Amino acid sequence: SQQGEEDPQALSIQEGENATMNCSYKTSINNLQWYRQNSGRGLVHLILIRSNEREKHSGRLRVTLDTSKKSSSLLITASRAADTASYFCATDAITGGYNKLIFGAGTRLAVHP
Amino acid sequence: GAGVSQSPSNKVTEKGKDVELRCDPISGHTALYWYRQSLGQGLEFLIYFQGNSAPDKSGLPSDRFSAERTGGSVSTLTIQRTQQEDSAVYLCASSPVAPAWREQFFGPGTRLTVL
Repeated sequence: SQQGEEDPQALSIQEGENATMNCSYKTSINNLQWYRQNSGRGLVHLILIRSNEREKHSGRLRVTLDTSKKSSSLLITASRAADTASYFCATDAITGGYNKLIFGAGTRLAVHP
Repeated sequence: GAGVSQSPSNKVTEKGKDVELRCDPISGHTALYWYRQSLGQGLEFLIYFQGNSAPDKSGLPSDRFSAERTGGSVSTLTIQRTQQEDSAVYLCASSPVAPAWREQFFGPGTRLTVL
């Protein structure tokens, strides 16, 4: 079953604009990760935020985490056409000593030149 | 170093046939995961390996699905008597063991189509 739900399901913007994607989850987590997927194939890890962190930056990416609301957001600033992809949040609740990732359905981002 | 590789990249089979999907994890990664992604959906966890053992098989959808891992490296996911609903992209990921929480490194996936 999916724990994370991304919002919106699809987002279409122009190059240079910012893109914000949101993720909500249901149960307590140890950390939350964001992944990117191009053309329905392998996922690439973007950023991990721990449950005791509220904000994290990596290049043009900014992730926030609000554990009281069980939600996270991913902001991509100054978007480029190459950012076109699907973006997934994954919650990482340690189960039996390993990180079982539970993914949301993803946000499909289209950045138009 | 090489990333996670999967083969074949695409597989078309007829309903009722058996298929084997292969995953080569990153060298030294002892944790290996299989996921399934249906069209336009998120990833569904199937099974996790720690070394050659599978402490969590909870995601396998039916007894037609099985997986093994040998030598703490290569893993094979086998689907017997395939059904059309098995059509999906099957993704493999690996990660180091410690610490317990780490990013997972994904392969490119195998797109399975059951006719």
